[in-house]
Amino acid sequence: AQKVTQAQTEISVVEKEDVTLDCVYETRDTTYYLFWYKQPPSGELVFLIRRNSFDEQNEISGRYSWNFQKSTSSFNFTITASQVVDSAVYFCALSEARNTGNQFYFGTGTSLTVIP
Amino acid sequence: NAGVTQTPKFQVLKTGQSMTLQCAQDMNHEYMSWYRQDPGMGLRLIHYSVGAGITDQGEVPNGYNVSRSTTEDFPLRLLSAAPSQTSVYFCASSYAVGFQETQYFGPGTRLLVL
Repeated sequence: AQKVTQAQTEISVVEKEDVTLDCVYETRDTTYYLFWYKQPPSGELVFLIRRNSFDEQNEISGRYSWNFQKSTSSFNFTITASQVVDSAVYFCALSEARNTGNQFYFGTGTSLTVIP
Repeated sequence: NAGVTQTPKFQVLKTGQSMTLQCAQDMNHEYMSWYRQDPGMGLRLIHYSVGAGITDQGEVPNGYNVSRSTTEDFPLRLLSAAPSQTSVYFCASSYAVGFQETQYFGPGTRLLVL
């Protein structure tokens, strides 16, 4: 079973629209970490945020915000007033304490296209 | 700091050839790892290292070898390339060993095996 599910394969929005990228995870652990990474067309992976399982406060960073809900095992990412530079593939990842290494379980990614 | 660097950026191999993908970091990070990225499958862990001289297998280790003789370098070797190894390879590192650590990724190596 997939530990991290990003059901939205591709999303297109018009510039200045808000968009939410969904991430649902599966774990039996009470302690774990969740991450979001951005992969722009240039190909590198850029770290966006880390959240531990005990901190359910929503986080806002500029136009980006994250909504973490343990009750639904979701860690959704919202971009407000989207811009063309937001066009990228976004990955959600899970890290569990049971890992023998620092292994991330990645979702399959959501490709976001912002149309000018 | 240069961060995590990878060479080459692109490589084309013929089936059966061998090669080494280079990865280096200048942040004195303890943990290093290799992932491969395939369409529709996200990133999957190949091998990882928790320190110089210590390596272990990840989710998809077959066909790859690694070694870690220094803290800075973590090369990935393909002993006999196969078309199934066509992929984008990412090296990552984190300051310490632990599930709470953020991993920082290199720019990737795009490999095509014919």
